[in-house]
Amino acid sequence: GQNIDQPTEMTATEGAIVQINCTYQTSGFNGLFWYQQHAGEAPTFLSYNVLDGLEEKGRFSSFLSRSKGYSYLLLKELQMKDSASYLCAAAGFQKLVFGTGTRLLVSP
Amino acid sequence: EAGVAQSPRYKIIEKRQSVAFWCNPISGHATLYWYQQILGQGPKLLIQFQNNGVVDDSQLPKDRFSAERLKGVDSTLKIQPAKLEDSAVYLCASSPWGQGNEKLFFGSGTQLSVL
Repeated sequence: GQNIDQPTEMTATEGAIVQINCTYQTSGFNGLFWYQQHAGEAPTFLSYNVLDGLEEKGRFSSFLSRSKGYSYLLLKELQMKDSASYLCAAAGFQKLVFGTGTRLLVSP
Repeated sequence: EAGVAQSPRYKIIEKRQSVAFWCNPISGHATLYWYQQILGQGPKLLIQFQNNGVVDDSQLPKDRFSAERLKGVDSTLKIQPAKLEDSAVYLCASSPWGQGNEKLFFGSGTQLSVL
């Protein structure tokens, strides 16, 4: 079976750092995606991890541990525009399974 | 490069009516996906096409939902008859090859309200 688990909601203040965790169980695991989705908009690609370790891309970093079935998305220097839902998605063979998403609210 | 096009943007219907959504993927993308996203949830795959063939429709409620991609380009998703629980955003996405490790390009979605 396939199961993706991430927190429903998180809050943080502008300028802070926040870490959004994701655990997954999926057959034929190929890698882990993170997508950002602003309210009323389509998801947009943030990152893809296939190997263990941390990948940094500007203010956003993503980490993967394949042995633990665990990933996190790290957002630094939070801005108001980062208020959105963050979707964790596990890639299997020809299939991508999304989690329910973590709604992040950034306050001044 | 043009993105994934979807129409209509919004649709309001009464239960038991029928509705159809249209999607045109990024040019050259072999794989097209229809996802259903209920408010507060992540996208759920309804059907995946590779060119004009179906790769996965295991979560498509086939008694009321149908989809086609006849020429391997654009696609339509139909619901007949609609139920209240079909209220959701219907997202179309495409990718070049359909491998599990490809990023998806999403359209803006069609927001369906069933009254």
